[in-house]
Amino acid sequence: EADIYQTPRYLVIGTGKKITLECSQTMGHDKMYWYQQDPGMELHLIHYSYGVNSTEKGDLSSESTVSRIRTEHFPLTLESARPSHTSQYLCASSDRDSSYNSPLHFGNGTRLTVT
Amino acid sequence: QKEVEQDPGPLSVPEGAIVSLNCTYSNSAFQYFMWYRQYSRKGPELLMYTYSSGNKEDGRFTAQVDKSSKYISLFIRDSQPSDSATYLCAMEVRGGSEKLVFGKGTKLTVNP
Repeated sequence: EADIYQTPRYLVIGTGKKITLECSQTMGHDKMYWYQQDPGMELHLIHYSYGVNSTEKGDLSSESTVSRIRTEHFPLTLESARPSHTSQYLCASSDRDSSYNSPLHFGNGTRLTVT
Repeated sequence: QKEVEQDPGPLSVPEGAIVSLNCTYSNSAFQYFMWYRQYSRKGPELLMYTYSSGNKEDGRFTAQVDKSSKYISLFIRDSQPSDSATYLCAMEVRGGSEKLVFGKGTKLTVNP
């Protein structure tokens, strides 16, 4: 089982609230990612990081922000949650080596519902 | 046209059946092809990884890539109820993962 942890697993919150989704990994991986997954839809990359103090936006535009102050920690923040942010958010990590032997390791996700 | 097309199913088969899951793609530059398995309320986990064309076998699972047809397949032999999950194909031009493109996933149920 992959050593990547996401909290909370489920979150129901009202519109306008600030939220932070936590993601931590114990594998020492340099690369970390946030994906958004909606039922019946593809996973879409919203943020990624190559290492400490590195953050990049992914292919899917997102109002969320991320930070990478420590190698093992990659939190995602929504300053003002809206119903359109309702989705499942998956965190993943991989080794910096970009060979095909560095697959993504996913956490079990945070299912966010904004009412 | 989406870069990767995958029939979402759902697919329901009896235990012991041979299962074939497929994806087509439009970007001829894709070179690395993966299958991820995602159980309900869990994150995806890598099942198979292949580079370029050909077959790769791992136990009951065989991944097949046909670059000339832009078509990849995952075969599951002697399917088990524990194989019930959503199977996601994914592919990328080069190793690196931040440009990984996923299919929508096919939900498979294996009935005992």
